[in-house]
Order: sequence, then structure tokens, then C-alpha cells
Amino acid sequence: DVKVTQSSRYLVKRTGEKVFLECVQDMDHENMFWYRQDPGLGLRLIYFSYDVKMKEKGDIPEGYSVSREKKERFSLILESASTNQTSMYLCASSLVRGGQETQYFGPGTRLLVL
Amino acid sequence: LAKTTQPISMDSYEGQEVNITCSHNNIATNDYITWYQQFPSQGPRFIIQGYKTKVTNEVASLFIPADRKSSTLSLPRVSLSDTAVYYCLVGDPGYSSASKIIFGSGTRLSIRP
Repeated sequence: DVKVTQSSRYLVKRTGEKVFLECVQDMDHENMFWYRQDPGLGLRLIYFSYDVKMKEKGDIPEGYSVSREKKERFSLILESASTNQTSMYLCASSLVRGGQETQYFGPGTRLLVL
Repeated sequence: LAKTTQPISMDSYEGQEVNITCSHNNIATNDYITWYQQFPSQGPRFIIQGYKTKVTNEVASLFIPADRKSSTLSLPRVSLSDTAVYYCLVGDPGYSSASKIIFGSGTRLSIRP
């Protein structure tokens, strides 16, 4: 089974703090993603990466950055946390096979910024 | 970008068949249709994916008409554990596909005894 793990299930941070969210996948997937999920808004893509050291902006990259130094690890960084970044953060990796793509999600990190 | 439209919520009873329809009028030639299921406090989980006609697996069936402008997820004989949010996505697999994948708000399915 594919396993995607996230460093924390719950985090509480203060406004202005630098926050690191870590994601690790164990299936040698090329693609990795960070989403945030808010009530009524579904999942929105923040950033994704299709290879080591490669990254592309998703729909809502403002206020975030990412790092992918190793294939299995994709980090989301909040440079200076703000209250509007309180959300559920979901990491995913994907396998592309036979022209089809399947995303595998981690359990999520619920971040509260005070 | 292919946007999807689904009902916000649906209710059904245990043992019934549930059909959730998704509209995707702007689907592109290379786009696949994928459905995910999400339980509270968990990440979404892949259910089924298809390109045209009908796809069936051990969990669900996916019906796609010839024009591909809509699709229907069919859950046979639902149980209480099928209560979840269901997302319909369309996207073109590939290295730069993620920017073309839109999750939307999903359909909240509630199953009653």
C-alpha cells in the first residue's frame, strides 16, 4: 500500500512564525502536491512538484513556499504565518500509469494560527 | 480548465443504490474523470477513474456518456460507512497535469439507517 505521511496532525502557531509542514511518501512517486481545504471551498492546490528541486505554483501560492530536496519529501513553508492560513493542509503524491493518474493523500495537518 | 459541478448534498438509506452526477461541459480530449471519497479528518481516497463508457471496480461503477460532458458515480447497496464527501475531478495526467486538476466542493452524501 502507498503511504503518505505528514509530520503533524495538529499544529498551533502564532502570527508571524515560520511554519514547516513535512510530507513523505514511500512509493517513489514523481509528483507531489500540497492542498489546503476550507469549509465550502473544497481542496485548493497551493504548489506541486513533478521532480526533485522542481516546483510549480498552483491556484493559491501566495504566502507559501515549498522545498523538494529529495524525491520522497515535499515540504510546505509558511514564511510568516497569518490567521487566514488557519486551515487543513493535505499532502498528496501521484502515480501516472497507462495515461491515468491516481493521487494518494496523507491524513492532513490541521493548522491553527493565533 | 475543466470545471465540475456536483450537487452539494444527497441523502439516502442503507441498502439503496446511490447515483451522484457530475457535469463537466468543458472537458478536454485528453482529460480523465476521477472520483475521490473523503471521510472527516482524513485525506481523500481514490475510488474510480475512467475515460469513456463504463468502468466498474469492487467499490463503484462510473458511467460516462458518449459526449463526456457528464459522469455518474454509482454506489450499489450503500451502508452507513459510505457517508462521506465525494469529489469529481477531470484532468489530463502528466507531469504538468496538477494545475489542470480542480477538486471543487464535492457532494456530501449522508446515509441513514
